[in-house]
Amino acid sequence: AQSVSQHNHHVILSEAASLELGCNYSYGGTVNLFWYVQYPGQHLQLLLKYFSGDPLVKGIKGFEAEFIKSKFSFNLRKPSVQWSDTAEYFCAVTVDTGRRALTFGSGTRLQVQP
Amino acid sequence: DGGITQSPKYLFRKEGQNVTLSCEQNLNHDAMYWYRQDPGQGLRLIYYSQIVNDFQKGDIAEGYSVSREKKESFPLTVTSAQKNPTAFYLCASRDGTLKSNEQFFGPGTRLTVL
Repeated sequence: AQSVSQHNHHVILSEAASLELGCNYSYGGTVNLFWYVQYPGQHLQLLLKYFSGDPLVKGIKGFEAEFIKSKFSFNLRKPSVQWSDTAEYFCAVTVDTGRRALTFGSGTRLQVQP
Repeated sequence: DGGITQSPKYLFRKEGQNVTLSCEQNLNHDAMYWYRQDPGQGLRLIYYSQIVNDFQKGDIAEGYSVSREKKESFPLTVTSAQKNPTAFYLCASRDGTLKSNEQFFGPGTRLTVL
């Protein structure tokens, strides 16, 4: 079974600071990788995804992530955060067989101070 | 508008009572999922259904039951056997036409046991 680790549980940044959230997964085969975001009081929504092709993927609101297969990592980045990026961020993985359910990391709470 | 609806948004239950959480989708997706979200633990899979009239246990199915009589609907019953039911419950569906196995989430139901 696959698993996902998010090492940063709570991150506090000032506006305009750069962001990098770590995500590592364990699974030996082909994976699909996701970052979901949960803004306060809102749906869980997809930020970006990787399933094939260019390992550097761009998502909404200026976020990007890089899949490094050799490191089993899929870190999320943003060059300059805004107060509106305050939210909880979840890394998730699924495989292309069986139940195709998402396995989530424990989440990172990002707090951006104005 | 296509999407996933969950009701109610908030639910209070007395110990020893069964409650049923509703999940409806009009996205024409075959696969549907129930996750439970607890602080600091990310989301964990309760049950899933890949097709009508079929469903399977996820990682934390004890104390829960589901049905899938219609493609659009996947209700979750939290029974009195669930030892710690207070949590945020999220329903999702998966677009089987997408290679990424992306899932779409409803707004969630927050269940509190009094």
